[in-house]
Amino acid sequence: QKEVEQNSGPLSVPEGAIASLNCTYSDRGSQSFFWYRQYSGKSPELIMFIYSNGDKEDGRFTAQLNKASQYVSLLIRDSQPSDSATYLCAVSPYGGATNKLIFGTGTLLAVQP
Amino acid sequence: DTEVTQTPKHLVMGMTNKKSLKCEQHMGHRAMYWYKQKAKKPPELMFVYSYEKLSINESVPSRFSPECPNSSLLNLHLHALQPEDSALYLCASSQIKGRGQPQHFGDGTRLSIL
Repeated sequence: QKEVEQNSGPLSVPEGAIASLNCTYSDRGSQSFFWYRQYSGKSPELIMFIYSNGDKEDGRFTAQLNKASQYVSLLIRDSQPSDSATYLCAVSPYGGATNKLIFGTGTLLAVQP
Repeated sequence: DTEVTQTPKHLVMGMTNKKSLKCEQHMGHRAMYWYKQKAKKPPELMFVYSYEKLSINESVPSRFSPECPNSSLLNLHLHALQPEDSALYLCASSQIKGRGQPQHFGDGTRLSIL
């Protein structure tokens, strides 16, 4: 059974701090890794994706991937109250016509003003 | 604004009704997906269409019937649903390449079964 694990939180950080969200996955052959943000009652919104080991930065967001440790993380710098949401880690073990996402249970982030 | 459009946004139906959910994308994606999401849970994959053909059915009950009329449209036909089928139904689309591609979600249809 392919699994993606996240701490459900809530993760509480003060405004302006760095929020660090973590995710581990079980399938060593996984190729693609995604972070989605989901506000309460809304649909998931793609934040970042990463394919290769190392860091990938986009504005205040940095995704980090360590395939040897089967670990993906998302850093949010200068956290804002508007960042308060559930962050879903998703992993795609396959590509092509069977592009299936396996989601973690999500981490609830609360940024305190 | 989302580039994947779902209609209707809300749907209330009885257990004997027949209804359809619709999804449209104009991003040129050739893979489309239906997910079901219950409160405080992650999305659960139901169906995947690749090049307008059903490629994955995650053992979904036959009261849910997907249809992909063309590369831009995806429907989910509903019949004889149960109260436990009440959920947010999400459509997504993606490119098809050698490794997994980002999936882009629509706003969802919130379905309530009476």
